[in-house]
Amino acid sequence: GEDVEQSLFLSVREGDSSVINCTYTDSSSTYLYWYKQEPGAGLQLLTYIFSNMDMKQDQRLTVLLNKKDKHLSLRIADTQTGDSAIYFCAETLFGSASKIIFGSGTRLSIRP
Amino acid sequence: NAGVTQTPKFQVLKTGQSMTLQCAQDMNHNSMYWYRQDPGMGLRLIYYSASEGTTDKGEVPNGYNVSRLNKREFSLRLESAAPSQTSVYFCASSTGSDQPQHFGDGTRLSIL
Repeated sequence: GEDVEQSLFLSVREGDSSVINCTYTDSSSTYLYWYKQEPGAGLQLLTYIFSNMDMKQDQRLTVLLNKKDKHLSLRIADTQTGDSAIYFCAETLFGSASKIIFGSGTRLSIRP
Repeated sequence: NAGVTQTPKFQVLKTGQSMTLQCAQDMNHNSMYWYRQDPGMGLRLIYYSASEGTTDKGEVPNGYNVSRLNKREFSLRLESAAPSQTSVYFCASSTGSDQPQHFGDGTRLSIL
């Protein structure tokens, strides 16, 4: 079946890099997304990658996609306190109208 | 530029009461969605509207109805609220069914 899995928690020191990992089961995904949710707010689209790409970089964010292993990662360089949030991995499936599968989210906390 | 606007932001209902959650987007998007977010479960799709005039069930439609009033507005109705429907509800929209979705800030609904 379709499933997207993430670890629930990650704690990093301010200034270090954060790497949030995600695995998915359906190989027919078209787009894979990273969303950020701050407390009391909705989901903010951070970045996304098309399934035929291996890597995408956008300022402090680097997305890596390993299609063979069905593994997606988000690296945040020079992590700041403002990066504290829940990060959701999600995928859309080819041929499935309007269907996005979300992971349960990884809560990133920053320690001084 | 408001994006996706949800009203109300908070609501408390008694079991058996009815209520309509409102959602409007000003991005001229074709597709709109309703999700619920429960702790540890990520987001689950309730209903979606791929285009004006169409609606379809998502993963958890029972106990809900929707109306795509026009291209801008997509409402979610609880006819007889139950405590199991206590959740945070998010509306989202996208240009098309396989495009990134943009989220509102959510409606926090408690049913006693």
